[in-house]
Amino acid sequence: QKEVEQNSGPLSVPEGAIASLNCTYSDRGSQSFFWYRQYSGKSPELIMFIYSNGDKEDGRFTAQLNKASQYVSLLIRDSQPSDSATYLCAVRKAAGNKLTFGGGTRVLVKP
Amino acid sequence: DAMVIQNPRYQVTQFGKPVTLSCSQTLNHNVMYWYQQKSSQAPKLLFHYYDKDFNNEADTPDNFQSRRPNTSFCFLDIRSPGLGDAAMYLCATSKAQGMNTEAFFGQGTRLTVV
Repeated sequence: QKEVEQNSGPLSVPEGAIASLNCTYSDRGSQSFFWYRQYSGKSPELIMFIYSNGDKEDGRFTAQLNKASQYVSLLIRDSQPSDSATYLCAVRKAAGNKLTFGGGTRVLVKP
Repeated sequence: DAMVIQNPRYQVTQFGKPVTLSCSQTLNHNVMYWYQQKSSQAPKLLFHYYDKDFNNEADTPDNFQSRRPNTSFCFLDIRSPGLGDAAMYLCATSKAQGMNTEAFFGQGTRLTVV
């Protein structure tokens, strides 16, 4: 079982719709959860992080964390063509500094 | 201003010829990471430093070595590059362990092996 799993996609959404991305992780000792966006050929850039159960909103983005289910999600509201990218989920354990990435979900926003 | 800088952005090396990639940071972060990312795959952690404390991943080949002479700089040495080592190499930094200590990435170095 991979430490961090994501559906590879592509997830195709019409412009203006909500994109919903999911991520599961295997280690219950995981403490912090990060969502990165990566455009083709570029390095990852942080969208947001979450470490408490529940929702965290930042602009058009909402992260949701459920530690009991070992599940973290990202919602993108009012999706724009510029949101077309690969979204990487990353997990950090409580002990140590290791940051592990999932395989990423490719999102395509169609005008 | 760039806070994590990788040089060069593109590197072409010959099969078996040692190559060094560099990373520098202006954030004074304790932790520095090296990731390898192949096309359409997740970034794969090779190793990371917490200050001078080196942490190697169990599946990182011996062909890959690293040096961190000071807080600001970290190097990735590939002793004998093979065709399978062609990838994007990403350097990242973060503060030491904490809940909201996100990693900041450099622009990456794309390595081609010919």
